[in-house]
Amino acid sequence: LAKTTQPISMDSYEGQEVNITCSHNNIATNDYITWYQQFPSQGPRFIIQGYKTKVTNEVASLFIPADRKSSTLSLPRVSLSDTAVYYCLVGDPLNTGGFKTIFGAGTRLFVKA
Amino acid sequence: GAVVSQHPSWVICKSGTSVKIECRSLDFQATTMFWYRQFPKQSLMLMATSNEGSKATYEQGVEKDKFLINHASLTLSTLTVTSAHPEDSSFYICSASGGPAGKIQETQYFGPGTRLLVL
Repeated sequence: LAKTTQPISMDSYEGQEVNITCSHNNIATNDYITWYQQFPSQGPRFIIQGYKTKVTNEVASLFIPADRKSSTLSLPRVSLSDTAVYYCLVGDPLNTGGFKTIFGAGTRLFVKA
Repeated sequence: GAVVSQHPSWVICKSGTSVKIECRSLDFQATTMFWYRQFPKQSLMLMATSNEGSKATYEQGVEKDKFLINHASLTLSTLTVTSAHPEDSSFYICSASGGPAGKIQETQYFGPGTRLLVL
């Protein structure tokens, strides 16, 4: 399983764009990159997933360079409610043993007014 | 879509008793379910992977006789903490991956978690 490395914490202000980068140097050919958000005492919530290039949904964008050894989660115009821990995970969803992933330490984002 | 529920959301029990936590996929077939444990201010730690109809695969260091996992159907997995002790107090989270028949969901969807306090 590919190991991921993220900054431990980040601070931002309301209305700013936040970019969180994750390193996954040992990513395998079949691995997808998935980002989750977790609030205290809640289960992680799916944000976005991608394999290569750029993926965008209603809440975030995910940028993946050609070598796929890193990825960047971009949160446009953050608000106070975006204060949470963000996890980057790498895994193969079509693995017959199930889409097993290992959580890293995550990035604790703190949005200030 | 892709909703996972857990029951109970919190439980307090006496040391030595057993506690069962249920994880259900409400609108999709979960061919695989995962159980995690999370201590305060820490990341999620994978405990075991269970596939419907087969024995769970436990991560290194997780006692399979203490944490019994049953994945009897495509929508239900249970985790039983046997003879719970105070050190088992934690936040237990399940996740599920799978999808409607013929369609694979390419990610895990997490339940809301169960907070266990053993006195």
